[in-house]
Amino acid sequence: AQSVSQHNHHVILSEAASLELGCNYSYGGTVNLFWYVQYPGQHLQLLLKYFSGDPLVKGIKGFEAEFIKSKFSFNLRKPSVQWSDTAEYFCAVNVGSQGAQKLVFGQGTRLTINP
Amino acid sequence: ETGVTQSPTHLIKTRGQQVTLRCSSQSGHNTVSWYQQALGQGPQFIFQYYREEENGRGNFPPRFSGLQFPNYSSELNVNALELDDSALYLCASSLGPGQGRNEAFFGQGTRLTVV
Repeated sequence: AQSVSQHNHHVILSEAASLELGCNYSYGGTVNLFWYVQYPGQHLQLLLKYFSGDPLVKGIKGFEAEFIKSKFSFNLRKPSVQWSDTAEYFCAVNVGSQGAQKLVFGQGTRLTINP
Repeated sequence: ETGVTQSPTHLIKTRGQQVTLRCSSQSGHNTVSWYQQALGQGPQFIFQYYREEENGRGNFPPRFSGLQFPNYSSELNVNALELDDSALYLCASSLGPGQGRNEAFFGQGTRLTVV
């Protein structure tokens, strides 16, 4: 069965620190990969997505992620975090070969940024 | 705001009861997916409806059922509630089929507590 694994359950950083959140997936087919963010009390929002092409994708709010096919990884990065980045981050893979997205999510990483 | 609205926002039910959760999709979207997010976990795919028909189902028992209406709004019904059904239920709407490339927009969810 398809699965997504996020290595860090809770990450605590100071403002201006660099961020990297790990994500590995287990899926044999062509993958569409996503990172979602859930700010406290808000809905899930799409940060960035990878379908094909350049494995380094840029998203909103200065986030980027790199798809490394040989490692089945899609790690999220940000060079300098801000207090407002405090949120829960979810990596997801689309397993819907036809039709609309059917997403398999990782368990999430809670990111706390200290001012 | 995503344009996806869910109701109610919170509810408390007793074990063995039945519950209906509702979702209004974003204007123009014909696909609704439902996810269950247990505390501290990532969302898990329950099922998806495309143009009023079920279009894929996750690993959930038959007491989880759904409907999609001609206006593409949707309901999630859960019969014979169990304590483990306590979770945040998320609805996501998108434009299908799209080969999984059309972004899914999430509502804020319904927090169900089973006592």
